[in-house]
Formats: sequence, C-alpha cells, structure tokens
Amino acid sequence: GDSVTQMEGPVTLSEEAFLTINCTYTATGYPSLFWYVQYPGEGLQLLLKATKADDKGSNKGFEATYRKETTSFHLEKGSVQVSDSAVYFCALSLSGGSNYKLTFGKGTLLTVNP
Amino acid sequence: DAGVIQSPRHEVTEMGQEVTLRCKPISGHDYLFWYRQTMMRGLELLIYFNNNVPIDDSGMPEDRFSAKMPNASFSTLKIQPSEPRDSAVYFCASRLQGSNEKLFFGSGTQLSVL
Repeated sequence: GDSVTQMEGPVTLSEEAFLTINCTYTATGYPSLFWYVQYPGEGLQLLLKATKADDKGSNKGFEATYRKETTSFHLEKGSVQVSDSAVYFCALSLSGGSNYKLTFGKGTLLTVNP
Repeated sequence: DAGVIQSPRHEVTEMGQEVTLRCKPISGHDYLFWYRQTMMRGLELLIYFNNNVPIDDSGMPEDRFSAKMPNASFSTLKIQPSEPRDSAVYFCASRLQGSNEKLFFGSGTQLSVL
C-alpha cells in the first residue's frame, strides 16, 4: 500500500542552524506530496505542497522538492527560528474519482533552542 | 471563518463508558475526515465522508467505533465501550473539493480512558 517514511526525531537544533527532515514515499501512482506542521496544542496546518515531479514547494522559508527518481520530498530550511519548534509531517495523496485521502508519516519533532 | 471546531478539547473517562466526540467542519466544505494520533502509530485515518456519506471506514479499528454525519455541519465519532488503548488525540479535518487537497484540521480532542 501507499506509505510515507520520515526520519525519526526528535531533532534539536540551535537557532539559525540548517534544517533537513528526510521523507520518502511509496505509492502505486503519481501522488501529490505535502508537508504539514503541528504547533503545540494545535491541529495540523499545511506548510507546503508539490503536485508533480521536480516541483518545489515553499513557504515561510521552508522548501521541499518532489524527486520522483528517489521517491523523496525532503524538507529544508536554511536558518531555523525558535518559533519553528513543532512536529512536522510528510504526507501523500492519491486522489481520483471519489477516493481521496492523505497518508501521513509518523511525524518528526523539531526543537529549536535560542 | 472559525475553522474546524471540535469538542470537547479534553475528555477523561473510565473504561467501559461511552465517549462521543463532536466536530463542526468549515462551512461549505464537502469532505470530512476523522484521524487518531498516538505516539506509537502516528496519525491514522479512521474514516472520511463526502457530502455526508461515509466513503472509506477501513481505518476504524473495530466495531466499538462508529461515526455519523447527519448533516453538512456536524459529525460525531463514538466509542462504546471505551478501553484504555483508545487513549489518543482525535482530530477532525475538512476540505473543499477542488481546493488542491488542503486539509483544515481542528485542534483535536485529547481522550484519556482510565
């Protein structure tokens, strides 16, 4: 079945450090790929997305590129802030007809220290 | 818009009791999802509805779980009888068809079954 594997956390960084959170996927078709973020005590929010190979999603300084050849969608940010501390989820969607759902990875906890 | 509204925010109950979780999706959204989040299993899709009709309930763990959507603005997830292993955060999310697959999540219900 379709699945998402992301690096296990927790990840602890100092402010202004470079961030990479790895994500790879397995899918039977051509999925759309997403990163969602969950701040403490809140629900998930869409951070960025890419819908086809070589697309780059970006938002709030975060970027991820849809790599079909390596089935990956790694999340990166050049300089993290304390406010980026959250849980990050990689997800995929194979939509078509009436069948639609997101499949999430297990999440990676990021803590950024001042 | 107030976003997806879930109630209660926290629920503590004893094993064997009935638990009902409630969700009000964003007005006009035609998809509604119920997810369960635990440390061990991450974020799992339990069931989703399209235009109030259940489309895929393959993630519902067992017959103790049931979900309804009597109208476009309300859904419930019921657990009867509850067990300690049901302790988790339950999220409701909604989406508008054609919105590039962006899900809007509620803040979740933290359920503790003692």
